Amino acid sequence: GQNIDQPTEMTATEGAIVQINCTYQTSGFNGLFWYQQHAGEAPTFLSYNVLDGLEEKGRFSSFLSRSKGYSYLLLKELQMKDSASYLCAVAGGYQKVTFGTGTKLQVIP
Amino acid sequence: EADIYQTPRYLVIGTGKKITLECSQTMGHDKMYWYQQDPGMELHLIHYSYGVNSTEKGDLSSESTVSRIRTEHFPLTLESARPSHTSQYLCASSDLGGREQYFGPGTRLTVT
Repeated sequence: GQNIDQPTEMTATEGAIVQINCTYQTSGFNGLFWYQQHAGEAPTFLSYNVLDGLEEKGRFSSFLSRSKGYSYLLLKELQMKDSASYLCAVAGGYQKVTFGTGTKLQVIP
Repeated sequence: EADIYQTPRYLVIGTGKKITLECSQTMGHDKMYWYQQDPGMELHLIHYSYGVNSTEKGDLSSESTVSRIRTEHFPLTLESARPSHTSQYLCASSDLGGREQYFGPGTRLTVT
């Protein structure tokens, strides 16, 4: 089975940096996704990590450690529009994707 | 930009009715998925498909059924809708490598 844990809520200040952690225990692993989801909307893809290490894409970076079953999403230069839920998801066997409960991030002025 | 479509976007229907939620994608993706999500809650995989004539049940037990007769089309059917089926239904697709899932806009279903 799959077990994915991430904090329920976080608050950060506009312009700051925030790190959202995700730990997972899965029966198979083919990759880890991060998605952003605004309230009432569909998730949008942010990143996909297969190998250990940090991948940077603009203001967003994602890190993976397969041996530790751990990932984080790093958001820099926070903007008010970054207020959303951030979903960690693991692609297991046969690329079946399981989502965590999501972290609701609130960016305050 | 993802080319994955869902209809209807919103549906209010009475108990006992049969409904079909449509999902189609024009990216030629082999893999397609249906998720159910209640407001503020996590996504639950209810069905997935690896290609034509392939369908599998997901982690969340669902009274719905799916079919995959064409690559681009993955409809979900509820034979007899109940109030407990009230939720948002999200369709997604990915290529065989599965490096990115593209989501449709979702169908918000209310069963009265």
